[in-house]
Amino acid sequence: GAVVSQHPSRVICKSGTSVKIECRSLDFQATTMFWYRQFPKQSLMLMATSNEGSKATYEQGVEKDKFLINHASLTLSTLTVTSAHPEDSSFYICSARRGVNQPQHFGDGTRLSIL
Amino acid sequence: QKEVEQDPGPLSVPEGAIVSLNCTYSNSAFQYFMWYRQYSRKGPELLMYTYSSGNKEDGRFTAQVDKSSKYISLFIRDSQPSDSATYLCAMSPLTGANNLFFGTGTRLTVIP
Repeated sequence: GAVVSQHPSRVICKSGTSVKIECRSLDFQATTMFWYRQFPKQSLMLMATSNEGSKATYEQGVEKDKFLINHASLTLSTLTVTSAHPEDSSFYICSARRGVNQPQHFGDGTRLSIL
Repeated sequence: QKEVEQDPGPLSVPEGAIVSLNCTYSNSAFQYFMWYRQYSRKGPELLMYTYSSGNKEDGRFTAQVDKSSKYISLFIRDSQPSDSATYLCAMSPLTGANNLFFGTGTRLTVIP
């Protein structure tokens, strides 16, 4: 199997709060992890690609100072939404893959609601 | 034009029917093709993963890739109510970052 665990599944917090989301590959080592954002009834939008031990690569239009990514080990990547505002409310999903040309396996997502 | 086109549906079928889901694409560099199933408020679950052209079968699911037509399909036999979900096609090139290019997803409902 290829299990990816994402935590927390749901966050509700006040505007201005920073929120950290964890993504773990439970039964394999992930050379690369990805962070996506999904709006209702839309497909996934790639935010950034994270390789273990190196800086994340952000997609155009994604603020790297707003969305901090840390990929400290081959099984853990974190996404921190800094000073979150209501417009940051969304469904955030991570994925992980074993290596190049391997399929991505997704976590169950984090629903973030900023009041 | 989007790189990957997928009819968003919704698609409703009676239980037991054969379901056909399709995607077309424009980038001939795509070599890896995937189908994911996504239940409401959950992350996508990998169903099928194929490389280049051909067919692949796994239980009630069959994936087909026709690179000459830039067309991929997922067939679900003997559909069940538990198959009700959104199905996303995804594909990636052989080289480079291997980022996935997704279709918009087709929402399927299997009616008991």
